Amino acid sequence: DGGITQSPKYLFRKEGQNVTLSCEQNLNHDAMYWYRQDPGQGLRLIYYSQIVNDFQKGDIAEGYSVSREKKESFPLTVTSAQKNPTAFYLCASSLVLLYGEQYFGPGTRLTVT
Amino acid sequence: ELKVEQNPLFLSMQEGKNYTIYCNYSTTSDRLYWYRQDPGKSLESLFVLLSNGAVKQEGRLMASLDTKARLSTLHITAAVHDLSATYFCAVEGETSGSRLTFGEGTQLTVNP
Repeated sequence: DGGITQSPKYLFRKEGQNVTLSCEQNLNHDAMYWYRQDPGQGLRLIYYSQIVNDFQKGDIAEGYSVSREKKESFPLTVTSAQKNPTAFYLCASSLVLLYGEQYFGPGTRLTVT
Repeated sequence: ELKVEQNPLFLSMQEGKNYTIYCNYSTTSDRLYWYRQDPGKSLESLFVLLSNGAVKQEGRLMASLDTKARLSTLHITAAVHDLSATYFCAVEGETSGSRLTFGEGTQLTVNP
């Protein structure tokens, strides 16, 4: 089955620790995205990547970092510099050549205390 | 900067009734997407609208796109409880590459 997987589903960390969220897709999509969603709010773009070894900042990139070493994988690191990291994180991918419909993974709920 | 506004943000309706959710956007685009999100879950793609006048229907939901008015609508016919969810529209701007800009979402509650 083709799709996007994110792990873990739930993640708990202490303040001051970096944490890496995994996102893998086997859809052969070129582009991948990371969004943050806070309770009762919409999606805000953190980072996106349209090709391997290249990525761009979204609207709220401060305190986050990404890498795109393989087409299938786009991990997100939430660093200790992120002031309020507790949120629901969603990864998505799209086949850019046609149009931009994005397919979403199941999400990771991160809680930092 | 592309802005996307949905209204209403909260909608409570009775089963069997009809209603429309509106999605307005600020710059030229002919690509718009509707998604559904259940509480605590991810987003599920509902409709892809790729040209002016596009209309798509699935069950009790129908989406349309008017690129001249920069407006998309999501019409709900004879609502049922299972349609309770948050609905997002997302717009692909002409100069934004593959980026989507999402509306704030419309939280729909269908009451028996």
